Amino acid sequence: DAGVTQSPTHLIKTRGQHVTLRCSPISGHKSVSWYQQVLGQGPQFIFQYYEKEERGRGNFPDRFSARQFPNYSSELNVNALLLGDSALYLCASSLYGWEYEQYFGPGTRLTVT
Amino acid sequence: AQTVTQSQPEMSVQEAETVTLSCTYDTSESDYYLFWYKQPPSRQMILVIRQEAYKQQNATENRFSVNFQKAAKSFSLKISDSQLGDAAMYFCAHTGTASKLTFGTGTRLQVTL
Repeated sequence: DAGVTQSPTHLIKTRGQHVTLRCSPISGHKSVSWYQQVLGQGPQFIFQYYEKEERGRGNFPDRFSARQFPNYSSELNVNALLLGDSALYLCASSLYGWEYEQYFGPGTRLTVT
Repeated sequence: AQTVTQSQPEMSVQEAETVTLSCTYDTSESDYYLFWYKQPPSRQMILVIRQEAYKQQNATENRFSVNFQKAAKSFSLKISDSQLGDAAMYFCAHTGTASKLTFGTGTRLQVTL
């Protein structure tokens, strides 16, 4: 079975631009979560979606938004990019909610110049 | 607010020896889960072990076991018979009913011959 997939693998953007990151969960998983991992730190929770509804939100500005589609795939959007948004963005899927094991994708490395 | 603290930025262990990674957490929730995740240099995060807070018995997965001290809010990971493939960043994480997985800052484990 395929694991969690994310696209693109790497991305370079300029300050002020917009970016969309994509995630496909493991087949059968209904929940997707997004995390930001700055180099040398642990991942920081951004969003969790379950059955296309937002179930949790971390301490990130409104420039960050996400959605989950009927096929349970998900997009993370970031507007008005700042240099500080440079990070590895991880997507994780799980069968249901927060108490279930999360399976992580390989991440998207975003560099903002 | 949930916090997870890993006080050991780096640890080193010889092959075949045993090492313990420390983690403390703070939470106001009574129903929660604790995890240890491993992130090898290739960066894909994988679950090592999971502990439900309501279970008194410490979780064990092959060479990996935890020492869960609920009153002390401590959750350490013991790796027995260390192998070269155990070298990675190890993250302690906590999740509760707020649908938020909170990670510590990580411990980099080196395995030497």
